[in-house]
Amino acid sequence: NAGVMQNPRHLVRRRGQEARLRCSPVKGHSHVYWYRQLPEEGLKFMVYLQKENIIDESGMPKERFSAEFPKEGPSILRIQQVVRGDSAAYFCASSRETSVIANTGELFFGEGSRLTVL
Amino acid sequence: SQKIEQNSEALNIQEGKTATLTCNYTNYSPAYLQWYRQDPGRGPVFLLLIRENEKEKRKERLKVTFDTTLKQSLFHITASQPADSATYLCALTAGGGADGLTFGKGTHLIIQP
Repeated sequence: NAGVMQNPRHLVRRRGQEARLRCSPVKGHSHVYWYRQLPEEGLKFMVYLQKENIIDESGMPKERFSAEFPKEGPSILRIQQVVRGDSAAYFCASSRETSVIANTGELFFGEGSRLTVL
Repeated sequence: SQKIEQNSEALNIQEGKTATLTCNYTNYSPAYLQWYRQDPGRGPVFLLLIRENEKEKRKERLKVTFDTTLKQSLFHITASQPADSATYLCALTAGGGADGLTFGKGTHLIIQP
């Protein structure tokens, strides 16, 4: 079974351009999470989505960032008018269940998309 | 404020010894705690989950303990091998209905042959 697929793996943008990062979850998973990781920093939660719904976007900047998980197709993290501070690795994760009652509650991560803003 | 603390300094262990990593947290009441492994340039990989009513969990050479009174989890790798060298992340739920995990910054483990 294919794991979480993220693309592009590397993306270079100039300041002011848009970045679109795509994530296809594990087949059968309906929960998607986006995290950002800066060098020497931990993974920072950004947003949690289920199909066609944003469940929790408390970690996402209010401006320039948006995320979606449409009924069909991958989840998209969109960053408009990128700035140098947006340079980071963006990880997508998926899960089948989130309830602590479930047998497992782990997240399956992709290999990340590394954004560099020039 | 809520904090998850892992030793930020690299941990050097000789091959064959037991490596012990610590995760401390404050102002959380997690229902469960997880450990992940992350290699350079890769995504984190799930290792173990331990629930609040479990004191200890084992998987092959790995052992995790969870002390909700001390607000601490210990992660042990016995008979360590150079291939165990990686960054190990502790993660727990922040609560409040969001199911996104909150991660510590991780501890970089180096197993020396």
